[in-house]
Amino acid sequence: DAMVIQNPRYQVTQFGKPVTLSCSQTLNHNVMYWYQQKSSQAPKLLFHYYDKDFNNEADTPDNFQSRRPNTSFCFLDIRSPGLGDAAMYLCATSSEGSDQPQHFGDGTRLSIL
Amino acid sequence: QKEVEQNSGPLSVPEGAIASLNCTYSDRGSQSFFWYRQYSGKSPELIMFIYSNGDKEDGRFTAQLNKASQYVSLLIRDSQPSDSATYLCAVNKGAAGNKLTFGGGTRVLVKP
Repeated sequence: DAMVIQNPRYQVTQFGKPVTLSCSQTLNHNVMYWYQQKSSQAPKLLFHYYDKDFNNEADTPDNFQSRRPNTSFCFLDIRSPGLGDAAMYLCATSSEGSDQPQHFGDGTRLSIL
Repeated sequence: QKEVEQNSGPLSVPEGAIASLNCTYSDRGSQSFFWYRQYSGKSPELIMFIYSNGDKEDGRFTAQLNKASQYVSLLIRDSQPSDSATYLCAVNKGAAGNKLTFGGGTRVLVKP
């Protein structure tokens, strides 16, 4: 089945220790997104890629970076995680076009010690 | 005013009843509207999408769109306990490509 796969499902890191979350897709979608979702809140878009074109949201902290080495893979790097970065991180993909739905992976739950 | 607003709930409905969820949006130029279901601790799952005014039915779900009044709704018929979840309304404003703006979600509790 075509899908969006996120690894790991759960990640524990120490305060200030860099962490990388990964996302892969077999849908061949050209748009990939990273969201942060905290408890009882809506998903918050951090950035997205249109093919290799990176689009950062204005309020995304510099602490968050992303890489997309090819169509299938996208990474979220958190350079120095703080306690406030503990959240569910969601990767989504879509085809191009405003009428195209986004398909989400299962998410990575990040905890900060 | 939030760009996409939903009543946070919880919306409590008895099993077998109709659950009615509403969502209003502020940008009149919005073009596409999506409903996602999210179980606690899980990721959002697409239920329905709608682009044109009127109703769109898929199984027990019906989405309704009224662009003049800037609201979109979701009806869940014959509600089941497994429908207990948070329902997120998401709006694509069109001008920003594929970007979605999410509402805060409505929590639905279906009681047996």
